[in-house]
Amino acid sequence: ILNVEQSPQSLHVQEGDSTNFTCSFPSSNFYALHWYRWETAKSPEALFVMTLNGDEKKKGRISATLNTKEGYSYLYIKGSQPEDSATYLCASGWGSASKIIFGSGTRLSIRP
Amino acid sequence: EPEVTQTPSHQVTQMGQEVILRCVPISNHLYFYWYRQILGQKVEFLVSFYNNEISEKSEIFDDQFSVERPDGSNFTLKIRSTKLEDSAMYFCASERGAVTDTQYFGPGTRLTVL
Repeated sequence: ILNVEQSPQSLHVQEGDSTNFTCSFPSSNFYALHWYRWETAKSPEALFVMTLNGDEKKKGRISATLNTKEGYSYLYIKGSQPEDSATYLCASGWGSASKIIFGSGTRLSIRP
Repeated sequence: EPEVTQTPSHQVTQMGQEVILRCVPISNHLYFYWYRQILGQKVEFLVSFYNNEISEKSEIFDDQFSVERPDGSNFTLKIRSTKLEDSAMYFCASERGAVTDTQYFGPGTRLTVL
C-alpha cells in the first residue's frame, strides 16, 4: 500500500523563528511531489511541484527540497509570520501520471 | 486570476438519493480531478479525467460514482445512491498539463448524507 507520511502532525512556532517539516514517501516508481498550503475554510493552494532528485524550490520565505532516492522532502519556512499559520500538505505520485496520494498534513501555528 | 469554482458549497441529502457536484475548471486546463476528505481523515484521490475520459480512479470510485464533462466547461461528479459514509468535503482540481504541473483546487462542496 502506497503511503505518504508527514511529521510532525502539528507544530507551534514563535513568530520570527524558522521551522521545517518532513514528507516521506515510497521511493520506487516515484513521479512527482507536491506541497500545498491549506488555510481553514479555503482551498489548498499549490506551493511547489518537484520531480527530480535534488530539486530545490523557493517561494519567498518558503523553500522545499526533494530526495527521491531515500523518499523524503523537507519544507522550510524562514522567519515565520502569523500568516504562515496553516496546514501544509504533501502529496506524491507514482508510476501513473494522474494519481496522487496525500499525507495527513502538518498543522503549523505561529505564536505572535 | 482564474480560479476553479464549485457548486453548491454545501449539499444535504437523504441516504439513497443521487447527488451531482459541479465544478468549473480553469478554462485552458486539460486535466481534472476529484478528491474528497472525510472529516478528520486524509485527502483522498477519487478520479482523474483527461480528453473526455477517466485516466485513473481509486478503489473508492466504484460503480456508484461517475464523472462527466457535459458541455466543455462543467466537470461533474455524480453519486448515484448516497451512503452515510459518502459525507465528506469534495474538492475538484484542474491542471494545465500532466501531474508535474500545478493542480489548482476549488473551494470544495461539503456533502452531508442523512
